[in-house]
Amino acid sequence: GENVEQHPSTLSVQEGDSAVIKCTYSDSASNYFPWYKQELGKRPQLIIDIRSNVGEKKDQRIAVTLNKTAKHFSLHITETQPEDSAVYFCAASMVTNAGKSTFGDGTTLTVKP
Amino acid sequence: NAGVTQTPKFQVLKTGQSMTLQCAQDMNHEYMSWYRQDPGMGLRLIHYSVGAGITDQGEVPNGYNVSRSTTEDFPLRLLSAAPSQTSVYFCASSYGGSTNYEQYFGPGTRLTVT
Repeated sequence: GENVEQHPSTLSVQEGDSAVIKCTYSDSASNYFPWYKQELGKRPQLIIDIRSNVGEKKDQRIAVTLNKTAKHFSLHITETQPEDSAVYFCAASMVTNAGKSTFGDGTTLTVKP
Repeated sequence: NAGVTQTPKFQVLKTGQSMTLQCAQDMNHEYMSWYRQDPGMGLRLIHYSVGAGITDQGEVPNGYNVSRSTTEDFPLRLLSAAPSQTSVYFCASSYGGSTNYEQYFGPGTRLTVT
């Protein structure tokens, strides 16, 4: 089955700096890669996703890049703000069944004011 | 739309007891899933369904049963609760179409087994 590894497990940055979180996956059949943000005690919420036919996708301060050959994808957050502090999860699945997702173990991002 | 709803929000069980976690969605989504989240870990897939009457096992199915008799509901049954099943359980649904794959999560059920 699919295996997703996520690094780092914790990340602390100063407000205004950039943050990068990386994930690798094992199953070359996976072609849908979402990123979720989870605040303490809350449900995960999608912040950005990418399909394997696209190399990069951007939404304001958030971007995701995908390298299919190397089987890794990354989340980039620029101009970080204290409200970006949360746990971020990457996931991998096939678009034909996004309900069967494999998640990374999460990255706790702390943005210091 | 209420989105994805889960009941109860909190539950304490004794070892060996059984119970059903309820999940419902009103978005007419085909796909529904159950995940568990243990401290410091990501979400692990328990069971999933691609439509009414169709279910399949995920990564950690042992000790859990599911059924999907309607599009809206996807209950998760714990057959004989064990302390190892102490976790937060999230239900999720997604459209299953060709352009929108987003999973919408419920608020979660925090289960403690003593």
